[in-house]
Amino acid sequence: RKEVEQDPGPFNVPEGATVAFNCTYSNSASQSFFWYRQDCRKEPKLLMSVYSSGNEDGRFTAQLNRASQYISLLIRDSKLSDSATYLCVVNPPGTALIFGKGTTLSVSS
Amino acid sequence: DVKVTQSSRYLVKRTGEKVFLECVQDMDHENMFWYRQDPGLGLRLIYFSYDVKMKEKGDIPEGYSVSREKKERFSLILESASTNQTSMYLCASSLIGSAGGGELFFGEGSRLTVL
Repeated sequence: RKEVEQDPGPFNVPEGATVAFNCTYSNSASQSFFWYRQDCRKEPKLLMSVYSSGNEDGRFTAQLNRASQYISLLIRDSKLSDSATYLCVVNPPGTALIFGKGTTLSVSS
Repeated sequence: DVKVTQSSRYLVKRTGEKVFLECVQDMDHENMFWYRQDPGLGLRLIYFSYDVKMKEKGDIPEGYSVSREKKERFSLILESASTNQTSMYLCASSLIGSAGGGELFFGEGSRLTVL
């Protein structure tokens, strides 16, 4: 089983849609979880951390399910500017952050 | 704002050449990382460093070495470049955690083409 798995997409949605991305991880001892965003031809940037209780930042909601080793990102009311690749990132103990391959989102008008 | 600066945005080298990729960060971060990013393969960790003169192998260290003589600078070296090292190279730094448990700040990347 790969360490961090994501559906690569692409997800093509209209403006205003709600879209959800999922991510699974293999190391049950992982403690920290993140979503990064990478625009085309740009470097990745932190979008949000993922907490056990779930957390929300405006239109973005992140959830963690430790029992199922599953992380999700929900984007409500999609904007054109949300078009990007979303990277699921996990921090297993004793090693550096592990990045998923990313899920590509394309929002169209 | 944290700034991670990579010395070259685009490089073209020939097979067998020695290549230096330089990375400097200005926020006194302990941890620095080198990744490469390829289509369909995502970000893969080459080497990382917790402190000056310390280095740890990542997932794909073969064909690469690193140098960290100063806290702010982390260099990636390709001793003898090969065509399969054509890639986007991303440097990153972070403040906390023994292995990048804090937020990673990335440079803009260095796109290397080996002919």
